[in-house]
Amino acid sequence: QVHLVESGGGVVQPGRSLRLSCAASGFAFSSYGMHWVRQAPGKGLEWVAVTSFHGRNKYYGDSVKGRFTISRDNSKNTLYLQMDRLRAEDTAVYYCAKDFGAAASTRGYYFNYWGQGILVTVSS
Amino acid sequence: EVVMTQSPATLSVSPGARATLSCRASQSISTNLAWYQQKPGQAPRLVIYGAATRATGIPGRFSGSGSGTEFTLTISSLQSEDFAVYYCQQYDNWWTFGQGTKVEIK
Repeated sequence: QVHLVESGGGVVQPGRSLRLSCAASGFAFSSYGMHWVRQAPGKGLEWVAVTSFHGRNKYYGDSVKGRFTISRDNSKNTLYLQMDRLRAEDTAVYYCAKDFGAAASTRGYYFNYWGQGILVTVSS
Repeated sequence: EVVMTQSPATLSVSPGARATLSCRASQSISTNLAWYQQKPGQAPRLVIYGAATRATGIPGRFSGSGSGTEFTLTISSLQSEDFAVYYCQQYDNWWTFGQGTKVEIK
């Protein structure tokens, strides 16, 4: 069965960096697009970023563009989110999610599997 | 950006009753719409995709309908495990979520 396990969260000061990882298993990781979605405390879901199956196409939400970088290592079945210049408003639970398709463009599919989420707190 | 608007924000329903949740898109998204269920402390779970297709393992009391800009999720007879927050998501052009509808016990 599909498993997605996030790691790397924690408390970080504003302006600092943090890298999240998402270890995937149970499916052909290199064939599917992968997303990051976040949820601020008590709030709704916000799409953050996507990488295509091969990693060459990457797209970002406006609130993180220029500060966050999504990447993947298909040899390690792992997805990453490098978060730089963090702000208090980036505080959230971050989920990795598997796209139903390859996510080679911004016309994609729904998310059929999600990780359990990891909390990132940006605070001084 | 396609803006998704859900209504109502909170729906109070008795167990065994019917629940109807609405989702509106700011522009036509065909049937490129999904619904997710989220319980406290848990990740979202896919319920419906393609506006009307139930995901694997989702019971038949869940049904989705709509196309274009107006969509509905119906739970025909609410069970205790169905009380949760439900989000709609469009995937026609990028990916955006509605703000959620909380289905609570009346």
